[in-house]
Amino acid sequence: NAGVTQTPKFQVLKTGQSMTLQCAQDMNHNSMYWYRQDPGMGLRLIYYSASEGTTDKGEVPNGYNVSRLNKREFSLRLESAAPSQTSVYFCASRQGGGNEQFFGPGTRLTVL
Amino acid sequence: GDSVTQMEGPVTLSEEAFLTINCTYTATGYPSLFWYVQYPGEGLQLLLKATKADDKGSNKGFEATYRKETTSFHLEKGSVQVSDSAVYFCALSDRQAGTALIFGKGTTLSVSS
Repeated sequence: NAGVTQTPKFQVLKTGQSMTLQCAQDMNHNSMYWYRQDPGMGLRLIYYSASEGTTDKGEVPNGYNVSRLNKREFSLRLESAAPSQTSVYFCASRQGGGNEQFFGPGTRLTVL
Repeated sequence: GDSVTQMEGPVTLSEEAFLTINCTYTATGYPSLFWYVQYPGEGLQLLLKATKADDKGSNKGFEATYRKETTSFHLEKGSVQVSDSAVYFCALSDRQAGTALIFGKGTTLSVSS
């Protein structure tokens, strides 16, 4: 099992550009999550999907959209990137009935 | 809302020293508690967890006990190694947000030989 995979690993954007971060899991988990990690802030929830076909906002959703494409894939889109979105983005998934989340390796995004 | 507070770092120790990283939480219900570890350049890995009061989670020599009376989940290890150098995050499950995790800000541990 690959677990949770994310692409790309690194990305540099200019202000106003758009991009989609991809996430996939092969553990048949129902729930998936997007977090951002900023220095001194820990991880903060952007969006989550409790099950296929549903998505909900987390703590910091402004400037982002998500799509739960199927049970395996959960993408995060930045429509018009801003320097404040410079961060490391982590995708995670959780199996039903348990609270443990499994994390991907992260995407380091820089917006100039 | 629910929150997690953990001691600020960095924590710098010599090999074989005793480690404590303090974590306290605020929650309206009875959350599950976790410690995650992040090695340089990697994602987060679950280190240990506890799902109810007085549970002790343990893994790789690390331990933490869920203390409801003090709302704490302090991480301890009796003898740290250089390979334990990483960032440690305390977290709780937020039942109101699809069991998403609420994290502390992280504590950087640096162990020297």
